[in-house]
Amino acid sequence: QVQLVQSGAEVKKPGASVKVSCKASGYTFTSYGISWVRQAPGQGLEWMGWISAYNGNTNYAQKLQGRVTMTTDTSTSTAYMELRSLRSDDTAVYYCARGVLKDWFDPWGQGTLVTVSS
Amino acid sequence: SYVLTQPPSVSVAPGKTARITCGGNNIGSKSVHWYQQKPGQAPVLVIYYDSDRPSGIPERFSGSNSGNTATLTISRVEAGDEADYYCQVWDSSSDLVFGGGTKLTVL
Repeated sequence: QVQLVQSGAEVKKPGASVKVSCKASGYTFTSYGISWVRQAPGQGLEWMGWISAYNGNTNYAQKLQGRVTMTTDTSTSTAYMELRSLRSDDTAVYYCARGVLKDWFDPWGQGTLVTVSS
Repeated sequence: SYVLTQPPSVSVAPGKTARITCGGNNIGSKSVHWYQQKPGQAPVLVIYYDSDRPSGIPERFSGSNSGNTATLTISRVEAGDEADYYCQVWDSSSDLVFGGGTKLTVL
């Protein structure tokens, strides 16, 4: 079955960087892209951006431009999301999800909690 | 920027029909997707392209989209349908947008 498995929880200090991984299985990795979505505690969903696993093209949310980088490793069917210059309001659960840009996402990874605290 | 407006909460008795709306300027011209999120879990796609159901989603879930409002309808509501529901669209000026979410309570 199609599955996305994410890396474990992280605790970071303000100003640091975090890199979350998302390993895909059960489908041809390069046939889809991966979106990243985050959810602050008790809040709604926020789209962060998307990367094509076929050619590495990216589309980032304007709010995060310059702080986020999304990459893929097709040899291991893994997508990565790096967020830099972390602030306390970056504390959230970060999800990866399989999808085509502009369309729906399915399935989603289990989520990775990133806590930013001094 | 493009804004999607959902009611914060909807309550319904078991066996009745729940309707969750998603308002946006001329949303009828866009493709709307819906997700269900239960506490502590990742979101799950329940409706895509306005009214299509992924495999494994019960026929009780349906969707429509016209004018300035898209609607997720859940018929014969069960206790297990209690969750947060989010609508999502792509807008050329705002990229990908989620609604604020609606908490469905089964009375």
